[in-house]
Amino acid sequence: QVQLVESGGGVVQPGRSLRLSCAASGFTFSSYAMHWVRQAPGKGLEWVAVISYDGTYKYNADSVKGRFTISRDSSKNTLYLQMNSLRAEDTAVYYCARDYMNAFDIWGQGTVVTVSS
Amino acid sequence: EIVLTQSPGTLSLSPGERATLSCRASQSVSGNYLAWYQQKPGQAPRLLIYGASSRATGIPDRFSGSGSGTDFTLTISRLGPEDFAVYYCQQYGNARGTFGQGTKVEIK
Repeated sequence: QVQLVESGGGVVQPGRSLRLSCAASGFTFSSYAMHWVRQAPGKGLEWVAVISYDGTYKYNADSVKGRFTISRDSSKNTLYLQMNSLRAEDTAVYYCARDYMNAFDIWGQGTVVTVSS
Repeated sequence: EIVLTQSPGTLSLSPGERATLSCRASQSVSGNYLAWYQQKPGQAPRLLIYGASSRATGIPDRFSGSGSGTDFTLTISRLGPEDFAVYYCQQYGNARGTFGQGTKVEIK
């Protein structure tokens, strides 16, 4: 079935790096734009980044610009989020999501990132 | 960046009642690409409505979306016990996505 599975979360010190992965299955990954969305503990949803179906365009939220990089490997059906210079305010559940008509129709279960010394 | 403001913050209703949730945008939403999601504790969000008024696959017809430009509404015609949750609106345009702050629908 159509599925997204995130991995790579964990506890990391401020200033360090982490790479999240999102494995896609059950659909033609290379045909869809993909997004990362996060949710801080007890807070609402925040859009983080988007990558086009072919990887040619990428955009980030201002809150992560210059620190986070979205990428994809269609040969592996996998989406990535490289997170550098992590801050306490980056602590959140990170979700990957498939784009459909500028909405997010398929979501992963999320991976938890905790930035703490 | 388009700011989405949802109201009310909390809606206290009984099962069987009608719920009306509002989402107002700070500027016109491009192409009326406005979506609604339901989220329950410990779960990922679930897409309900896209394109302001189109129901996503498998969504019951008691959920409906309406509106255009800057004012959008999600209506749940008769609340079932499984509908008590937090609801978010969302738009994506000009290479930026934004969500509203959410409306919690709780049992009265």
